[in-house]
Amino acid sequence: GAGVSQTPSNKVTEKGKYVELRCDPISGHTALYWYRQSLGQGPEFLIYFQGTGAADDSGLPNDRFFAVRPEGSVSTLKIQRTERGDSAVYLCASSLTVGGRYNEQFFGPGTRLTVL
Amino acid sequence: GESVGLHLPTLSVQEGDNSIINCAYSNSASDYFIWYKQESGKGPQFIIDIRSNMDKRQGQRVTVLLNKTVKHLSLQIAATQPGDSAVYFCAERVSNAGGTSYGKLTFGQGTILTVHP
Repeated sequence: GAGVSQTPSNKVTEKGKYVELRCDPISGHTALYWYRQSLGQGPEFLIYFQGTGAADDSGLPNDRFFAVRPEGSVSTLKIQRTERGDSAVYLCASSLTVGGRYNEQFFGPGTRLTVL
Repeated sequence: GESVGLHLPTLSVQEGDNSIINCAYSNSASDYFIWYKQESGKGPQFIIDIRSNMDKRQGQRVTVLLNKTVKHLSLQIAATQPGDSAVYFCAERVSNAGGTSYGKLTFGQGTILTVHP
């Protein structure tokens, strides 16, 4: 079946603009995760959802970042007043559940965000 | 100046050799560990995992070793192939006392593996 998909694959924006990044998880996966990966670094956790609710948003760097998952499937990561330091690859992952102890997270290809 | 983050550890091997990639993890409360492979332009891909109540686990051509005493993980790849060339990350996860996962993974910096034909 289809894996995790993310759109757009690339996004170039200007400093101060608003952007939305979309993630379509694997069908039936109740847990969805957002990570950010800067050049030469490992992915850094941002937020994860169990169903429609954000179970842990401790990784969001500040209040310019917000994510929603209104119907428990597709999720959108929203970044307001973008800054050059927001430039990174934004990765989305999904897993079948979170409640189980050892649930594999499947990653999408990421959205490369460049803030000029 | 250069970013420290660009200086990933690197490992170069010849095709057919065995590779060992090491990782030091940070949280003594972590009870689940995963190795991921990431090719250029793609998301991380699961390779193998290990629970904290184990010290070794084997898969196809891969073995993960866990040393909780020194908080160290290693990934061994047997008969390395050019298709194994990628960046390899270890990741750790914490569960609460009730056994429920906290969900989020904490990734290490990564190691670049290059396999020469």
